[in-house]
Amino acid sequence: NAGVTQTPKFQVLKTGQSMTLQCAQDMNHEYMSWYRQDPGMGLRLIHYSVGAGITDQGEVPNGYNVSRSTTEDFPLRLLSAAPSQTSVYFCASSYSMGQGARGYTFGSGTRLTVV
Amino acid sequence: GNSVTQMEGPVTLSEEAFLTINCTYTATGYPSLFWYVQYPGEGLQLLLKATKADDKGSNKGFEATYRKETTSFHLEKGSVQVSDSAVYFCALSASAGNMLTFGGGTRLMVKP
Repeated sequence: NAGVTQTPKFQVLKTGQSMTLQCAQDMNHEYMSWYRQDPGMGLRLIHYSVGAGITDQGEVPNGYNVSRSTTEDFPLRLLSAAPSQTSVYFCASSYSMGQGARGYTFGSGTRLTVV
Repeated sequence: GNSVTQMEGPVTLSEEAFLTINCTYTATGYPSLFWYVQYPGEGLQLLLKATKADDKGSNKGFEATYRKETTSFHLEKGSVQVSDSAVYFCALSASAGNMLTFGGGTRLMVKP
C-alpha cells in the first residue's frame, strides 16, 4: 500500500517558469489537500478537494491552481513561479468529510526552490 | 476562525528528561485535536488524537488530554529518547468539515 505519493522530491525553477507538483493516493480517500510549510509558519492550506470534480481555496491560494479529475490524483500547478513560492509542499488525504477525526495521511513532500 | 498556538522552540532536553509541549486552540463547536510528528526529511505522521473533551490520546509513550475548559491539548512524555528528536505539530479539525488547522510546530532536540 503506497499511501500518498508525491513527485518530484526536489525541484529548482527559474522565476516565471511553470510546473506541476504531482500527488496520488491509493486509499480511495475522498478528501485531498495541499499545504506549504515555511520556517516559523507551520503548515498553511493552499487548496483542497472533497471529491472528484470539486476543489476550493484554502488560506494561501494565490499563484496556484488545482484540479481533481479522478479520486486518486490531485496535482498542484504553479503557472508563473516566484521566489516567494520557495517552500516545502505537502499533499495530504483522508476519508470523506465527517471523518476528519481519523487524521490525515501525508506524502513525503516536495522541496521547491525558485531562483 | 479556528487557530492553534504552540510554544515556540527549539526545545532542547537531555535523554530521559520529561517533555511538555504546550498547545492551545480557538475553535467553534467541538473540534477533534491531533498531534503530528515530522522526522527529518519526512512528511508528517499522525502521533495521537482525541475527539472529545477529557479524552486522552496516547502513542509511543506520548500522551495528550483534551481539556475543553482550558482549550488545551498539551503533549507529554515521561522519558524522551534521542530518536524523539523531530518537529511536533498540534492541529485541530473543526466539527463542520475535514480541514486541519495547524500550529506553527515545535522542534524538539534530545541530546544523549
